[in-house]
Amino acid sequence: ETGVTQTPRHLVMGMTNKKSLKCEQHLGHNAMYWYKQSAKKPLELMFVYNFKEQTENNSVPSRFSPECPNSSHLFLHLHTLQPEDSALYLCASSRPGVSPHNEQFFGPGTRLTVL
Amino acid sequence: AQSVTQLDSHVSVSEGTPVLLRCNYSSSYSPSLFWYVQHPNKGLQLLLKYTSAATLVKGINGFEAEFKKSETSFHLTKPSAHMSDAAEYFCVVSESNTDKLIFGTGTRLQVFP
Repeated sequence: ETGVTQTPRHLVMGMTNKKSLKCEQHLGHNAMYWYKQSAKKPLELMFVYNFKEQTENNSVPSRFSPECPNSSHLFLHLHTLQPEDSALYLCASSRPGVSPHNEQFFGPGTRLTVL
Repeated sequence: AQSVTQLDSHVSVSEGTPVLLRCNYSSSYSPSLFWYVQHPNKGLQLLLKYTSAATLVKGINGFEAEFKKSETSFHLTKPSAHMSDAAEYFCVVSESNTDKLIFGTGTRLQVFP
């Protein structure tokens, strides 16, 4: 285990539903990330938080809303998603300030299916 | 801008034979380079990383990679494949002094008995 947990592991939702993905890290890191992994596409960075502040929003549609209440927890709130949003959503954490070693530790992901 | 190209989307080897997964990078700065592995239904796990120290980097599970600046390559190798090595492998580049990682498209390694 990497020390990064994600819940739920699987989620099926309709386009009108509202759901949230949760990520928790037990590594004492201060940077957390959301990635989207779709079939046959490179991993896409969605959001970056450093010390609870959002430092990167990679042109993500507003139907994805991140929340970082503290350095250990990261949420991704989902509403009115589209079928093309179906993917594996990965959370990661790292310890910023130790570049160039900026190794990221990944959770197991949430497999999201939008019907 | 940084980028990585993984030259093979699929590689198949027999158990006990060498593994070579190819990666070329493009970077304007002194890069940090990583290889991550993803087993089915699992997250990504770091195999090894290059951070401007030794050019030959040893990682977990017998994998190693050599940084070749003249060829802008960071190929991943293992002398003898094991069935448990079957997975997706990602080559990753990071720009110095940032926390952004740029992922390649991945190489799926199949290992046959």
